[in-house]
Amino acid sequence: AQSVTQLGSHVSVSEGALVLLRCNYSSSVPPYLFWYVQYPNQGLQLLLKYTTGATLVKGINGFEAEFKKSETSFHLTKPSAHMSDAAEYFCAVSFSGYALNFGKGTSLLVTP
Amino acid sequence: DAGVTQSPTHLIKTRGQQVTLRCSPKSGHDTVSWYQQALGQGPQFIFQYYEEEERQRGNFPDRFSGHQFPNYSSELNVNALLLGDSALYLCASSLWLPNTGELFFGEGSRLTVL
Repeated sequence: AQSVTQLGSHVSVSEGALVLLRCNYSSSVPPYLFWYVQYPNQGLQLLLKYTTGATLVKGINGFEAEFKKSETSFHLTKPSAHMSDAAEYFCAVSFSGYALNFGKGTSLLVTP
Repeated sequence: DAGVTQSPTHLIKTRGQQVTLRCSPKSGHDTVSWYQQALGQGPQFIFQYYEEEERQRGNFPDRFSGHQFPNYSSELNVNALLLGDSALYLCASSLWLPNTGELFFGEGSRLTVL
């Protein structure tokens, strides 16, 4: 069975600082990996995804993530946080690409 | 280009009642998935419909059922509501092929069971 663990339910960074949100996965087969963002009272929006190929994946709004098979990780980073980045972030895994297993989420707070 | 639309946005029911939630997929999409998001949790996969058939199902009881119509829209039905069914129900649409794994989500229907 596939699952993801997001380390840290809450992360706080200063505006302009590095954003690092951690995600580790377990999967018995090569996974598809995703990061979604959810703003208050809204649905989820895809930030980026890894299916095959290049392990460093770039997404929207300056976010990127690196698939590290040896560490079973898919951490999300952004060099410089903006106030508008404050939201809930979800890591998800799938082996089929059809049904996603989401982590419990990490709430990102950006302080001035 | 309309995205995924869901209705109603909010509703309140009492235990034992039945509820129907509706979803229209993004234009051009043929696959609809439903997820349940409890407060403070990540979304959990309920089931997925393609070509009017349930293709995959998560770990949810038979009280949860669905339907997909020829125009690709979908309904989620929950019978014999329990307090624990209170959650945000998210509909997501995608293409069956090619399978990119990318889902487009609606804003959800928030169900409160009293």
